[in-house]
Amino acid sequence: NAGVTQTPKFRVLKTGQSMTLLCAQDMNHEYMYWYRQDPGMGLRLIHYSVGEGTTAKGEVPDGYNVSRLKKQNFLLGLESAAPSQTSVYFCASSYKTGKDGYTFGSGTRLTVV
Amino acid sequence: LAKTTQPISMDSYEGQEVNITCSHNNIATNDYITWYQQFPSQGPRFIIQGYKTKVTNEVASLFIPADRKSSTLSLPRVSLSDTAVYYCLVGDHNTDKLIFGTGTRLQVFP
Repeated sequence: NAGVTQTPKFRVLKTGQSMTLLCAQDMNHEYMYWYRQDPGMGLRLIHYSVGEGTTAKGEVPDGYNVSRLKKQNFLLGLESAAPSQTSVYFCASSYKTGKDGYTFGSGTRLTVV
Repeated sequence: LAKTTQPISMDSYEGQEVNITCSHNNIATNDYITWYQQFPSQGPRFIIQGYKTKVTNEVASLFIPADRKSSTLSLPRVSLSDTAVYYCLVGDHNTDKLIFGTGTRLQVFP
């Protein structure tokens, strides 16, 4: 019963490097989300997807791209990492109806130096 | 998007009942109210969800008045393990993206 799995759990990048964060869910959820959380702050929505092949911008989309080629996976990409993108990234998924709310992954701690 | 307001922090002692109130004046007809709990270094965890009146599950109760402009999460007899940040979210899951506020940091003392 894995739920939502995020990889990697930790990563250190140099400024200008690129990377992709992977989120996988095994609950057949239609909706998937990427959030970032900075110290002392709540979660801010980066991008989300309401179904396979769809993506949409959230509150803070600049500097990030996403793809949802398969229903169970949602990828978050950083093309040219900046120190301001140092954060903890959380992926979440939910049913279309919102029943039982979101299920979150355990997070990816990213540091950009 | 509906915006929520919660107290920044609350303190309690073990065994007490804790009530955390969330204000959401702009709630829309189709919006649900959902509460999450977050421990350090973990993702938020769903606690309870409601639309109106009262909802109760094995861990909490959610009270929603008739005008739905606020809601109260009630945690009965808290323990040290309930120390966490609690978030109130309001939104229409069918069409909307839910926005998290800064949450309420609950500290439970022995």
